[in-house]
Amino acid sequence: AQSVTQLDSHVSVSEGTPVLLRCNYSSSYSPSLFWYVQHPNKGLQLLLKYTSAATLVKGINGFEAEFKKSETSFHLTKPSAHMSDAAEYFCVSHLDSSYKLIFGSGTRLLVRP
Amino acid sequence: NAGVTQTPKFRVLKTGQSMTLLCAQDMNHEYMYWYRQDPGMGLRLIHYSVGEGTTAKGEVPDGYNVSRLKKQNFLLGLESAAPSQTSVYFCASGDRGYNEQFFGPGTRLTVL
Repeated sequence: AQSVTQLDSHVSVSEGTPVLLRCNYSSSYSPSLFWYVQHPNKGLQLLLKYTSAATLVKGINGFEAEFKKSETSFHLTKPSAHMSDAAEYFCVSHLDSSYKLIFGSGTRLLVRP
Repeated sequence: NAGVTQTPKFRVLKTGQSMTLLCAQDMNHEYMYWYRQDPGMGLRLIHYSVGEGTTAKGEVPDGYNVSRLKKQNFLLGLESAAPSQTSVYFCASGDRGYNEQFFGPGTRLTVL
C-alpha cells in the first residue's frame, strides 16, 4: 500500500535560516508527489509538484524539493525562512493507479523572529 | 478565474439538522472531491466524483451524501448532523491523470 510519512510534526527555525521539511514515500513505482501549504484558517495551496521530469523541482516563494528515488524521499527546502512561511505543510502522493491523493500527516513550521 | 469556491464559509447546526455544502469550480475539471480535516488526522476523503453524474465513496463516507448534477458543481449533504461531523470541509477539483488538486477555502461546520 502506498503511504507518505512526514518525519517531523513540528519544525522551528529562526528567520533568515534554512528550512528543511522531510518526507518519505512508499510506492511500487515512481509516484507523482506534491507539497502543499496551509496557512491558518485557509485552504491548501500547491507549492510544487514532481511528475517524473527533473528531480529538482522549484516552487513558489523560493521553495524547492528534490526527488531521490534511492532514498524514497522528497524533502522540501528553502534557503532563508521568512515570517510569512509559518504554516502547515503537507507532502502528498497520488495513490497507485488512481486519481486519489495520499496525504502525509503534516509538518507545522514555526519561524522565530 | 475564481478557481474553487465553497458556500457557506461557516455554519452551526444542531444535532439532527440537515444541510448542504456547495462546491463550484470554473476550471472545467473532470474530478471533484470532498475532504474533512480534523486536528491530528490530516485530510480524509469523504466522497469523490470522476465526472458529471458520477459519485463514489472515499475513506469516511458514512453520514454524508453527494451529488454531481453539473460538471462544475459538487454538493455534499448531511441528512442528520451529529457532533462527530464537526470539522472543516474542503472541496477540491482536478484534471485527469496524476495532476494536482486545487482546493477551495473550506467550510467550518460546528454541530452542537
